[in-house]
Amino acid sequence: DGGITQSPKYLFRKEGQNVTLSCEQNLNHDAMYWYRQDPGQGLRLIYYSQIVNDFQKGDIAEGYSVSREKKESFPLTVTSAQKNPTAFYLCASTIREYYGYTFGSGTRLTVV
Amino acid sequence: GNSVTQMEGPVTLSEEAFLTINCTYTATGYPSLFWYVQYPGEGLQLLLKATKADDKGSNKGFEATYRKETTSFHLEKGSVQVSDSAVYFCALSSDYGGSQGNLIFGKGTKLSVKP
Repeated sequence: DGGITQSPKYLFRKEGQNVTLSCEQNLNHDAMYWYRQDPGQGLRLIYYSQIVNDFQKGDIAEGYSVSREKKESFPLTVTSAQKNPTAFYLCASTIREYYGYTFGSGTRLTVV
Repeated sequence: GNSVTQMEGPVTLSEEAFLTINCTYTATGYPSLFWYVQYPGEGLQLLLKATKADDKGSNKGFEATYRKETTSFHLEKGSVQVSDSAVYFCALSSDYGGSQGNLIFGKGTKLSVKP
């Protein structure tokens, strides 16, 4: 079955470390997105990519980086510059926004 | 610019009660409208959608009608169950055959259903 897979489900990071969250889709979708969700809060867009080898900053890109070397993959790196990285991270993809997004099951990142 | 406003929660209902979660939008052109549901610890799932005025989206007993005259897309269910407890997000896409934009999400409404 086609879908979008995020891994790991839970991730722990020490302060000062970079960590990379994986997002893979086999839906043949062109566009992919990363969102951050804090407890009781809505979604905030971090980065998005509408085509391979191209991506744009969202509303809260500082302290994050991404790459889009393959259509299927859109990894997110949370760098040490991100001051408050503890959150729930969601990846999404779509063939076209008109049809809505498909979301992964999320990665919960905790700084220890 | 485009925006989505949905009622703030939390909303607490007894089982079998009627549910309405209000959603209004501001958009140019002909947006598509969506409701997503998020169960605890999970990602968002598409619940229903409507792509043009007067369309009714429906799924799992939930319904929403695209009202262009009132710029609304309210979510309703006639009889909620405990298993409906979740956070519900209204969203719109301004894209309609044109350049790709992004989905715009409301802030979410938490629903708790008590037995």
